[in-house]
Amino acid sequence: DTEVTQTPKHLVMGMTNKKSLKCEQHMGHRAMYWYKQKAKKPPELMFVYSYEKLSINESVPSRFSPECPNSSLLNLHLHALQPEDSALYLCASSPALRGEGYTFGSGTRLTVV
Amino acid sequence: GENVEQHPSTLSVQEGDSAVIKCTYSDSASNYFPWYKQELGKRPQLIIDIRSNVGEKKDQRIAVTLNKTAKHFSLHITETQPEDSAVYFCAAIGQGGSEKLVFGKGTKLTVNP
Repeated sequence: DTEVTQTPKHLVMGMTNKKSLKCEQHMGHRAMYWYKQKAKKPPELMFVYSYEKLSINESVPSRFSPECPNSSLLNLHLHALQPEDSALYLCASSPALRGEGYTFGSGTRLTVV
Repeated sequence: GENVEQHPSTLSVQEGDSAVIKCTYSDSASNYFPWYKQELGKRPQLIIDIRSNVGEKKDQRIAVTLNKTAKHFSLHITETQPEDSAVYFCAAIGQGGSEKLVFGKGTKLTVNP
């Protein structure tokens, strides 16, 4: 298995909802990442997990809460989002913390209404 | 921190011509430089990468060159085809355990048949 799988592919949520995005990889990668991508912009790093521990939080608002239950799974819990949080949320993984072998998931298209 | 500049922002070529996209980086400690292709609505996909101890790397119609002294690297696509049309992102990552992949702003390449 050489893929990063993200679910759901599309999500529409209200500003008072709580939802979660899920990411899974079975490549044995020990680093996992959440990125946010707005239209016509490059991906922006949100969080990095290394060996299941949070190693980077790019000053992301607390309405985004990451979780890494095990080495294959990464979740992003969403609560009280704003319309400007609508974007493509990409998960990625890599074998180590040097960027090589970075693999992106197909993303979750999030719309906040 | 690292900063990556990418030019041009848009590039239009005729099928069969060559396309060149250039990036500069600021952190002389950066040692890994991947290029990603992103088609509309899809994930970024790694197309080629280069490490700082290599000056050039080629994979069929795609090549990347790196000039460490000038801190710039370029993507070369020869014999372009309409299916090469996409947004291309360059990126850089530092050494010393840095997990942060820093992207350029992207180049929208259009190959006209």
